[in-house]
Amino acid sequence: GDSVTQMEGPVTLSEEAFLTINCTYTATGYPSLFWYVQYPGEGLQLLLKATKADDKGSNKGFEATYRKETTSFHLEKGSVQVSDSAVYFCALSEGYGQNFVFGPGTRLSVLP
Amino acid sequence: GAGVSQSPSNKVTEKGKDVELRCDPISGHTALYWYRQSLGQGLEFLIYFQGNSAPDKSGLPSDRFSAERTGGSVSTLTIQRTQQEDSAVYLCASSTWTSGGYSSSTDTQYFGPGTRLTVL
Repeated sequence: GDSVTQMEGPVTLSEEAFLTINCTYTATGYPSLFWYVQYPGEGLQLLLKATKADDKGSNKGFEATYRKETTSFHLEKGSVQVSDSAVYFCALSEGYGQNFVFGPGTRLSVLP
Repeated sequence: GAGVSQSPSNKVTEKGKDVELRCDPISGHTALYWYRQSLGQGLEFLIYFQGNSAPDKSGLPSDRFSAERTGGSVSTLTIQRTQQEDSAVYLCASSTWTSGGYSSSTDTQYFGPGTRLTVL
């Protein structure tokens, strides 16, 4: 079955550091890929998505590129802020009535 | 409101009691999903609805769990004879539905704030 693997956290960075959170997936077809973020005490919200190979999703300074050849969708940000502290979930969906498959989440803590 | 709403926001119950959790999806969203998030854990898929039917019930942990959706809108998740291990945040999400083409076309899921269930 489909699966999503994320790097284990927690990840602790200093403000303005470069962030990479790795995500790889296994899917039978051509899934859409997503990053969701959960800020402390809040619900999940979509951060960015990509629906086909080589697409780049971007939002709030975060980027992720859909790499079919490496089955990856790594999340990056050039300069993190304290307000980016949250749990980040990578997810995929095969579409056409398929449920989403979420990774286990990676907790990011950014220190001032 | 424009978002997904869930009620109650918090529920404390005694072991063995039944509970009902409610989800109001975004108007016009035909797909509805239930997930469970235990403390410090990721999301566990429970069930998915397309309209009023549930093509994927594979995630329901036991026969104590059931869900229904009526009128293609509101959904209720029922847990019978609750156990302490049922304690978690139950999340609902909804999405629109587009199809066609070779590439995937699933739309974004929009999540509700969740119901925190505590079984004593």
